[in-house]
Amino acid sequence: AIQMTQSPSSLSASVGDRVTITCRASQGIRNDLGWYQQKPGKAPKLLIYAASSLQSGVPSRFSGSGSGTDFTLTISSLQPEDFATYYCLQDYNSYTFGQGTKLEIK
Amino acid sequence: QVQLVQSGAEVKKPGASVKVSCKASGYTFTGYYMHWVRQAPGQGLEWMGWINPNSGGTNYAQKFQGRVTMTRDTSISTAYMELSRLRSDDTAVYYCARDLGIKSSGWPDYWGQGTLVTVSS
Repeated sequence: AIQMTQSPSSLSASVGDRVTITCRASQGIRNDLGWYQQKPGKAPKLLIYAASSLQSGVPSRFSGSGSGTDFTLTISSLQPEDFATYYCLQDYNSYTFGQGTKLEIK
Repeated sequence: QVQLVQSGAEVKKPGASVKVSCKASGYTFTGYYMHWVRQAPGQGLEWMGWINPNSGGTNYAQKFQGRVTMTRDTSISTAYMELSRLRSDDTAVYYCARDLGIKSSGWPDYWGQGTLVTVSS
């Protein structure tokens, strides 16, 4: 089974900061990766699919990159509503979520 | 607008089964795969499987094979997930989520509100 390792597991940042979250796959997964945002008590929200495609309605400050085994989610300028937990999800071979990155206010 | 409405919270004893429903509206039910994802309290997300509502075909995560059954009733645009031989570590919020639809089976996009299943003696 493909393992997805996210880093960091938690992150403190301030409004306006640029933030990068990384996801590494245990084997190559082409660009079969999505990124999700989840707020407490809510269902996840798809932000990015196919590694770098922005889902409709998602602000352009979110971007994704990578291919193969290494992927990044970047938030260019943090807004108050961006403090949440972020997950990557591979669908190259079955599906595997990363363990999550909790983004907290500094 | 796409809506997925799930059935209410359940409390089950170890060894029992639970069946969660997910009623879809606002789109063609048979046109998009439906995923099931769960989240134990304070933990991360775990993909359980998907069902193709058109054919009834399924794909289950290896961890759940033999214990999970996903079905659908196209006449009422509803998907179901049944988990048997429940254990305490099956306590979780269970989500249905419609596939994005850009390829045959891709990323879960629209999500239900979640159903809390508690397994306790």
